[in-house]
Amino acid sequence: AQTVTQSQPEMSVQEAETVTLSCTYDTSESDYYLFWYKQPPSRQMILVIRQEAYKQQNATENRFSVNFQKAAKSFSLKISDSQLGDAAMYFCAYRSYSAYGNKLVFGAGTILRVKS
Amino acid sequence: DADVTQTPRNRITKTGKRIMLECSQTKGHDRMYWYRQDPGLGLRLIYYSFDVKDINKGEISDGYSVSRQAQAKFSLSLESAIPNQTALYFCATSDYRREYNEQFFGPGTRLTVL
Repeated sequence: AQTVTQSQPEMSVQEAETVTLSCTYDTSESDYYLFWYKQPPSRQMILVIRQEAYKQQNATENRFSVNFQKAAKSFSLKISDSQLGDAAMYFCAYRSYSAYGNKLVFGAGTILRVKS
Repeated sequence: DADVTQTPRNRITKTGKRIMLECSQTKGHDRMYWYRQDPGLGLRLIYYSFDVKDINKGEISDGYSVSRQAQAKFSLSLESAIPNQTALYFCATSDYRREYNEQFFGPGTRLTVL
């Protein structure tokens, strides 16, 4: 079974600075998807960014980018120019590539605090 | 209007009571899921359904049951609620035809069992 580990329960960043959230996973599969979800105090789960394992290029969405290291099974999220609205719980998630394997496996989450 | 809705948004109940959480979607997705979120554990899958006739147990299905009444509706029931079922519950949907088949979540239901 796949597992996802987020080793940082909490992180803090100064507004306008850059922060990196860590995620590692364990799998024996070669093809899969990885996701970062944001959960603000409203508790809504919002998809931030996604990555396919067979794509070597790291995904980028505006101020959010990932560092995907397949061999190391690492999938970190970098937030540049941090804003107060980035304060939230962030979850890393894994999904198998197969059509039937659509279940998401989540990490425990990292709380990000943004200081003004 | 929200694409994935959950009712109720908050619920307090007593041990032993039967309770139903409902999920509806207007996204036209075929796949629906129920997760629970607990502090320090992230989200864990309870049940999932790929269509009306296909329902599957997830990681933590004991004490729960589900019903897929229609393509757009997926309900989660706690037959006899217990305090350790106190959690935040999420419904999600996905469309396997989309490239990433990413899941879209409802706003969550905060359930407290006293």
